[in-house]
Amino acid sequence: DQQVKQNSPSLSVQEGRISILNCDYTNSMFDYFLWYKKYPAEGPTFLISISSIKDKNEDGRFTVFLNKSAKHLSLHIVPSQPGDSAVYFCAARDIQGAQKLVFGQGTRLTINP
Amino acid sequence: DTGVSQDPRHKITKRGQNVTFRCDPISEHNRLYWYRQTLGQGPEFLTYFQNEAQLEKSRLLSDRFSAERPKGSFSTLEIQRTEQGDSAMYLCASSFIPGDYGYTFGSGTRLTVV
Repeated sequence: DQQVKQNSPSLSVQEGRISILNCDYTNSMFDYFLWYKKYPAEGPTFLISISSIKDKNEDGRFTVFLNKSAKHLSLHIVPSQPGDSAVYFCAARDIQGAQKLVFGQGTRLTINP
Repeated sequence: DTGVSQDPRHKITKRGQNVTFRCDPISEHNRLYWYRQTLGQGPEFLTYFQNEAQLEKSRLLSDRFSAERPKGSFSTLEIQRTEQGDSAMYLCASSFIPGDYGYTFGSGTRLTVV
């Protein structure tokens, strides 16, 4: 059962425009949602998080929005830069036990000059 | 502090051989996680340690897999009698309760079973 889903395997955006990456989840026991960025041959790098009690968190060019009623979150990157090209993973933290992160399948973002 | 270190970075082994990976977490982090990532998928949880105690294991972790964290510092993940389906990136991560910033991941060990 895929508890966290990223339905777009890839996204291509023009440099300077807005990139919007989407994520849906099914489990109501998640207390934090996170976005990770991954370059080839490296581990995922934490980008931004949001608590389940908030609906928006902003950090520089990155903003994460959470819609709890729709069980949906999105990551906005504006303006997009070539260095943003990477695979982005949405993750949700299970409030129970190990507080493990459950990851989506990832979205490969390509920023075109 | 150099972050989370994993060794080796790459491992090619023949089917049926045993392999062992090592993870050195960030020194003040008391939680350590192992994840596995296959092509086109996100990382999947394998097991978790708090200090030296292994507190949770995924059903993905078959009897051929064993993990240890002696003295609550570094951790090892051993796979016995490797199979081609074990080919994946094995990621280690550490965290310090009760941070809400997520884990710090290592660069992973890429295992190829031939």
